[in-house]
Amino acid sequence: KQEVTQIPAALSVPEGENLVLNCSFTDSAIYNLQWFRQDPGKGLTSLLLIQSSQREQTSGRLNASLDKSSGRSTLYIAASQPGDSATYLCAVFSGGYQKVTFGTGTKLQVIP
Amino acid sequence: EPEVTQTPSHQVTQMGQEVILRCVPISNHLYFYWYRQILGQKVEFLVSFYNNEISEKSEIFDDQFSVERPDGSNFTLKIRSTKLEDSAMYFCASSVDYISNQPQHFGDGTRLSIL
Repeated sequence: KQEVTQIPAALSVPEGENLVLNCSFTDSAIYNLQWFRQDPGKGLTSLLLIQSSQREQTSGRLNASLDKSSGRSTLYIAASQPGDSATYLCAVFSGGYQKVTFGTGTKLQVIP
Repeated sequence: EPEVTQTPSHQVTQMGQEVILRCVPISNHLYFYWYRQILGQKVEFLVSFYNNEISEKSEIFDDQFSVERPDGSNFTLKIRSTKLEDSAMYFCASSVDYISNQPQHFGDGTRLSIL
């Protein structure tokens, strides 16, 4: 059974700082990994999707990496802004047709 | 940008009653999903739906649950004989293609409160 863990559970940083969020998974036989952002009371917004054959994806100030063999992914946020404050979720697609396991999330606060 | 829309935003129901949660996926999307998030817990996959049938479901999705695409636009989740532990946020999502290549787009969710 796939288990997905995110560390840290919460993070508070001053504006402008670069930061890294971590996601680890137990079963390396994945189809892809997706990073989401969740704002309070809202749904999930897809940030980046990395296919199993890829090592990283970039979008603006965001960069996500994937190391399948070690069961790890990182989300790098450059030059953080107060608007980046949200909960960031990692989701792993594996183990069957369209089956997905979410991590517990990292709650990020960027202080102006 | 096209959005996934869910109605109602908040549903309050008495325990034992049936509830139907509604979703309108993005119009050219072919794959549809339901997830739930109990307060303070992880987002959990419930079911995926393609070509008018369930393609995958989790252990949570038992006989109490059913999904339907009654027309060309709506995608519904029915929960029969609701229990207190069904209280959660329910998210609908859709994707244009098989999820290994395309990201899922989520609605803002329906908060279901069982009294």
